[in-house]
Amino acid sequence: QVQLQESGPGLVTPSETLSLTCSVSGDSIKSHCWGWIRQPPGKRLEWMAYIYHSGTVNYNPSLMSRVALSIDPSKMQFSLTLRSVTAADSAIYYCVRVGPPDYYYPYFFDSWGQGAPVTVSS
Amino acid sequence: EIVLTQSPDTLSLSPGERATLSCRASQSLSSNFLAWYQQKPGQAPRLLIYRASTRATGIPDRFSGSGSGTDFTLTISRLEPEDFAVYFCQSFAGSSEFTFGGGTKVDLK
Repeated sequence: QVQLQESGPGLVTPSETLSLTCSVSGDSIKSHCWGWIRQPPGKRLEWMAYIYHSGTVNYNPSLMSRVALSIDPSKMQFSLTLRSVTAADSAIYYCVRVGPPDYYYPYFFDSWGQGAPVTVSS
Repeated sequence: EIVLTQSPDTLSLSPGERATLSCRASQSLSSNFLAWYQQKPGQAPRLLIYRASTRATGIPDRFSGSGSGTDFTLTISRLEPEDFAVYFCQSFAGSSEFTFGGGTKVDLK
């Protein structure tokens, strides 16, 4: 059974960069795409981006200018970077597995990490 | 951009009752790319249904999905105590377009 675990700082200063890493266990990182979804307090879930094991990334157009994803198959990890953060970026950040496997444009999120709460504040 | 509208906002029911949740899309969803998730307080969402009607691995058969085009329904045939939670729908409309609904809370009457 696949398990995902987010790690990273829970507090980020405005205008700085938010960085989170997701560690994957129990599955081959090459079998699926992997992504990030966030949930601001009281707001809807928002898909941010997902990455193929090759390193190709599909981004939410609304975040594309500030977001970057990377993947390290040898470490079974993938990472999120969000630049120039503001208070509006305060949220729970979930790393997810995107399914179905081996699908060029996967279309659902079938495994989730427990979530990493991030607050943007000085 | 597709907008998903869920109704009702809250559904107050008792264990054993049937729950019917609605998700309406602002545009027709090709290939019925509509998924449903369950979220309990303090937990991550869990995938229940994808492609409108296919149950995810390990999901009990009291959960069923139906619909096509712009109107979709999640039905819980007989509510169990562990089913009281918030339910979200999610659409896919291309490589870079995933959208979530605002959620329906199923709470204890």
